[in-house]
Amino acid sequence: QSALTQPASVSESPGQSITISCTGTSSDVGAYNYVSWYQQHPGKAPKIMIYDVSNRPSGVSNRFSGSKSGNTAFLTISGLQAEDEATYYCSSYTTDSVLELFGGGTKLTVL
Amino acid sequence: EVQLVQSGAEVKKPGESLKISCKGSGYSFTDYWIGWVRQMPGKGLEWVGIIYPDDSDTRYSPSFQGQVTISADKSISTAYLQWSSLKASDTAMYYCARPARGSGSYVDYWGQGTLVTVSS
Repeated sequence: QSALTQPASVSESPGQSITISCTGTSSDVGAYNYVSWYQQHPGKAPKIMIYDVSNRPSGVSNRFSGSKSGNTAFLTISGLQAEDEATYYCSSYTTDSVLELFGGGTKLTVL
Repeated sequence: EVQLVQSGAEVKKPGESLKISCKGSGYSFTDYWIGWVRQMPGKGLEWVGIIYPDDSDTRYSPSFQGQVTISADKSISTAYLQWSSLKASDTAMYYCARPARGSGSYVDYWGQGTLVTVSS
């Protein structure tokens, strides 16, 4: 089963906004509102940032937001800060597996 | 406070066996699935498999079926990932992970990771 498709890398300047895409199929992203986004800093465990497409767990900055259109989900980070530099992974519930399907990850560089 | 605490880093030779562990605390261990996620050096996240400790119902990703064994001891709130014969390609960081809802749900808690290095 193929991973969800994300751009390998993106970059933007501090204070700006950026949107990361995550493309799946009608069996995963397009079928359910169960898309989530994780942030992973080097050498650290992933951290949940968004779940169920657009919900933020307690403690996650409101600079992070999620949305979905058809088979593609999006993570938007506004007011970029140096600490946002990390790799971001999307994931989705899928009809094809009992396990969550991950994207390949997007490395965000804050210039 | 929910915590998943994993066993320490391991260095093994090809062909050796290994069992790593993940102890859950701060929640009812038998009420949630718990699983393992592999991250090879410089690569992304992949589910290995998952277990429901209450009845030991276990599911594996097709890529890992037959290659590893996942188990749990609910009496000590601990999940395990086991290899009978390691290969160099098993070198990776392994995270234990607790899905928030069912087995296909997002993960709300992660362990700190166990680095497994397999080298002759």
